[in-house]
Amino acid sequence: EAGVAQSPRYKIIEKRQSVAFWCNPISGHATLYWYQQILGQGPKLLIQFQNNGVVDDSQLPKDRFSAERLKGVDSTLKIQPAKLEDSAVYLCASSFAFVGGSYNEQFFGPGTRLTVL
Amino acid sequence: GQNIDQPTEMTATEGAIVQINCTYQTSGFNGLFWYQQHAGEAPTFLSYNVLDGLEEKGRFSSFLSRSKGYSYLLLKELQMKDSASYLCAVSSDAGNNRKLIWGLGTSLGVNP
Repeated sequence: EAGVAQSPRYKIIEKRQSVAFWCNPISGHATLYWYQQILGQGPKLLIQFQNNGVVDDSQLPKDRFSAERLKGVDSTLKIQPAKLEDSAVYLCASSFAFVGGSYNEQFFGPGTRLTVL
Repeated sequence: GQNIDQPTEMTATEGAIVQINCTYQTSGFNGLFWYQQHAGEAPTFLSYNVLDGLEEKGRFSSFLSRSKGYSYLLLKELQMKDSASYLCAVSSDAGNNRKLIWGLGTSLGVNP
């Protein structure tokens, strides 16, 4: 079974530039997550999709970050314009949709390491 | 509020046993996960507890006490490759949404 795919793996940009990340979840997983992980910290949820609908974007800096999940499969996360403090690893994860279930293990992609200069 | 606490760093010796603790305060508790994350890699699933007690899986075991808001991850027969960050995450129901609340992780160093 193929895992969660992400691209690019690494990206270096200058502040005020724009950048986009792509994620393809595990086939059949309805829930998709974008996390920001700063070095030495745990993942911080940016946005959670259920199919193509947003269920939680409370920690997404909406003035500069945007995300979409067209057709409930692939997703893109965009930063425009980037700031120095956006330097982090951006992780995409997916989990099987739950209906009354309690087990929603998340499977992570390899991440995109963003450096903003 | 919702909060998860775990030690920042721990060190242990190869072949030894180490216990990593996690305490939490969340609403709508729906299970606790432990993930392992090697440097530069994505987190990978280790264990899931939703009922009180001990879950054993090879060299790794995880314990949960819901009444105390407490869990631990027990690693036996430590190997050098166990050097990693260990993340505690609690599944919490908030309204119609279920999400994971993540701790900051415990960086474990295994010495020869």
